[in-house]
Amino acid sequence: GDSVTQMEGPVTLSEEAFLTINCTYTATGYPSLFWYVQYPGEGLQLLLKATKADDKGSNKGFEATYRKETTSFHLEKGSVQVSDSAVYFCVLMWGFKTIFGAGTRLFVKA
Amino acid sequence: DTGVSQDPRHKITKRGQNVTFRCDPISEHNRLYWYRQTLGQGPEFLTYFQNEAQLEKSRLLSDRFSAERPKGSFSTLEIQRTEQGDSAMYLCASSAPAGVLDTQYFGPGTRLTVL
Repeated sequence: GDSVTQMEGPVTLSEEAFLTINCTYTATGYPSLFWYVQYPGEGLQLLLKATKADDKGSNKGFEATYRKETTSFHLEKGSVQVSDSAVYFCVLMWGFKTIFGAGTRLFVKA
Repeated sequence: DTGVSQDPRHKITKRGQNVTFRCDPISEHNRLYWYRQTLGQGPEFLTYFQNEAQLEKSRLLSDRFSAERPKGSFSTLEIQRTEQGDSAMYLCASSAPAGVLDTQYFGPGTRLTVL
């Protein structure tokens, strides 16, 4: 069946470090891919999205490219800030079907 | 656009009691989803409505769970005879009929604790 696998956390980085959170998926159809973020004490928020192969989603300095050949949607940011500390979820959506990864907790130290 | 709202935000109940949660989606959204999230895990899909029709139910949704969306606006999720294993965050999300760009907007969740 369809699934999403993302790297386990927690990931701890110093401020201004480069961030990569890996995400791979398996899908029988042609899903849209999303990254959602959950800040401490807050609800899930959409971070970025991509709807087809080779699309790049970007927002707040974060980027992810929909790679059909490697079935991946890795999240990257060139320089993280303390305020980026949160849990990040890679999500696959196809029609009403929605599958979340387990989440990756990011800690950014000043 | 006031976002997705859920009520109550927290519910503590004793095992065996029934509980009901409410979700109010973004007003123009006709699609509504319920999820359950346990600590350290991603949300798991429970059920999906398009307008008032419940089109899909997860196997996670046992006979003790029922969801309704009577007029295609707000939705309720009821859990009968609660068990300690039902303790979780219950999330609601809504989306507009935008074809493949099916971005879901999430509410703050209802945290259920079953004693």
